[in-house]
Amino acid sequence: DAGITQSPRHKVTETGTPVTLRCHQTENHRYMYWYRQDPGHGLRLIHYSYGVKDTDKGEVSDGYSVSRSKTEDFLLTLESATSSQTSVYFCAISAGTSGVGEQFFGPGTRLTVL
Amino acid sequence: GQQLNQSPQSMFIQEGEDVSMNCTSSSIFNTWLWYKQDPGEGPVLLIALYKAGELTSNGRLTAQFGITRKDSFLNISASIPSDVGIYFCAGQPGGYGNKLVFGAGTILRVKS
Repeated sequence: DAGITQSPRHKVTETGTPVTLRCHQTENHRYMYWYRQDPGHGLRLIHYSYGVKDTDKGEVSDGYSVSRSKTEDFLLTLESATSSQTSVYFCAISAGTSGVGEQFFGPGTRLTVL
Repeated sequence: GQQLNQSPQSMFIQEGEDVSMNCTSSSIFNTWLWYKQDPGEGPVLLIALYKAGELTSNGRLTAQFGITRKDSFLNISASIPSDVGIYFCAGQPGGYGNKLVFGAGTILRVKS
């Protein structure tokens, strides 16, 4: 157990509304990641963070923003949700100090945009 | 961007059978990881590989990091019903941030 929680676990929202997903970790890891999972695509990286206030884009970052004001929390925001953002979102941490090595995942948030 | 080709897409297992799956890429990776995901849960790390040619076991699971650094395989020996789920390979191409590239997954189902 890597001490990762995600909230909410399920959310239904309407197109055009803002949505924020939270990832919380208890073990002070430097690197945190947000992925989305869609059938046939595996997991795709949205954004990642390498420290407080240090973030960078991943493969599918359009329409998403992130913030990390504390080591333990990494927030993913959909400024104006669209139906194409219906997905399962996973947060992950890297246990390696330099970012190299295994990543461990949270339980996921299922988001439905109507 | 970089892609991983994971095969097979799905397979049926009968208890006691051995299972093999693999991932290939046109790019070199510095790390290969294998994950298993059960319904409604996050992926769980099974095996991590860090050196070309490395062969690592975890119980009935064995994985290898290909010599060319462009492929990896996972074997499950003597499968049991709880092996069903989705298996993902992931490769780390190197560079800052430990970004991983994932395969699309292999779905393991039980043969009835």
